[in-house]
Amino acid sequence: EDQVTQSPEALRLQEGESSSLNCSYTVSGLRGLFWYRQDPGKGPEFLFTLYSAGEEKEKERLKATLTKKESFLHITAPKPEDSATYLCAVQANQAGTALIFGKGTTLSVSS
Amino acid sequence: GAVVSQHPSRVICKSGTSVKIECRSLDFQATTMFWYRQFPKQSLMLMATSNEGSKATYEQGVEKDKFLINHASLTLSTLTVTSAHPEDSSFYICSARDHTGTTEAFFGQGTRLTVV
Repeated sequence: EDQVTQSPEALRLQEGESSSLNCSYTVSGLRGLFWYRQDPGKGPEFLFTLYSAGEEKEKERLKATLTKKESFLHITAPKPEDSATYLCAVQANQAGTALIFGKGTTLSVSS
Repeated sequence: GAVVSQHPSRVICKSGTSVKIECRSLDFQATTMFWYRQFPKQSLMLMATSNEGSKATYEQGVEKDKFLINHASLTLSTLTVTSAHPEDSSFYICSARDHTGTTEAFFGQGTRLTVV
């Protein structure tokens, strides 16, 4: 069964304190791994797509990496505005299939 | 990125009434749209997948007669919650994927449904 597990469930950081969020997955052939940011009461906002092991993508203070079993979202020198829930999702190797989501990591950054 | 507009953002309805939620792709043609439901502090749970011009495919446990999905055009899908009950109160989110077959799926803003 395709499955996505994110850890930790919640993470509290001080402004400037770098850390990483983990997304472990099991899927019958990975078509893509996705990272989204979700603010309370809003829909998910697309951040990154990773397709193959070894791939990395960056956007401002965020960097996503991918291995054959997991993905990391590294947050460098976070700011309070980075506070949100970060969702990881995978798409199995079949065109047209929906994304399978993890439960998310809620990040709180205090100044 | 592509824009998906969902309307309304919030709706309160009485038990027994029906509510329609719209999902529009504003700058691309969405051959496939997905409807999710999200409970507080929980993940997005896929309810159904709809392809333009064909019947929606519902996930196991989702009542297709209660959650009516129509995808009549390449830019619009609707979800109608029929005979709503308080337990249907939730956050409903749509997403859309374009006809080029790219993997990215873009999400609407979500609809908070409260049934009283």
